Amino acid sequence: AQSVTQPDIHITVSEGASLELRCNYSYGATPYLFWYVQSPGQGLQLLLKYFSGDTLVQGIKGFEAEFKRSQSSFNLRKPSVHWSDAAEYFCAVGAGFGNEKLTFGTGTRLTIIP
Amino acid sequence: DAGITQSPRHKVTETGTPVTLRCHQTENHRYMYWYRQDPGHGLRLIHYSYGVKDTDKGEVSDGYSVSRSKTEDFLLTLESATSSQTSVYFCAGAINQGNEQYFGPGTRLTVT
Repeated sequence: AQSVTQPDIHITVSEGASLELRCNYSYGATPYLFWYVQSPGQGLQLLLKYFSGDTLVQGIKGFEAEFKRSQSSFNLRKPSVHWSDAAEYFCAVGAGFGNEKLTFGTGTRLTIIP
Repeated sequence: DAGITQSPRHKVTETGTPVTLRCHQTENHRYMYWYRQDPGHGLRLIHYSYGVKDTDKGEVSDGYSVSRSKTEDFLLTLESATSSQTSVYFCAGAINQGNEQYFGPGTRLTVT
């Protein structure tokens, strides 16, 4: 069974600074990987996904993530954060086609300070 | 995602009463999911459906049942609500297995 770890419960960054949110997964084969964002009181919105191919994937709102098989990681990055990026971020892993379920991490809450 | 709606959005109920939450989708998602979200636990899968009348349990299914009589609607029922079921419930849909899931806005349920 797959699992996901987001080691940082809460991160605070200054507006305009760079951001990296960590995600480590456990799965025996090549996983399907996702990052979602949740604003307060809202549902989850898909930021980006990795299924195969180029290990650096681009998403919406200027986010990108890099799949590193050797480190079992799929970290989310943004070069310059905006106050509107304050939210909770969830990494999720799926076992790929043929498996219906995703496993979510416990989330990282991002606070932006002026 | 505007294609998935949930009702009600907020509900307060008493311990021991039955509760049904509704998820409605207009995106022709074959797969539908119910999650609960609690602080420190992220999202945990309650039940999911892989087609009309086809459902299966997730990791926290005790005390919950689901039904899917048509593609568009996926119902979650708490047969006898308990305080431990106070949570925010999210419905999600996916076109195919393994694909990204799209989420509804959530239902905040409080059991007193």
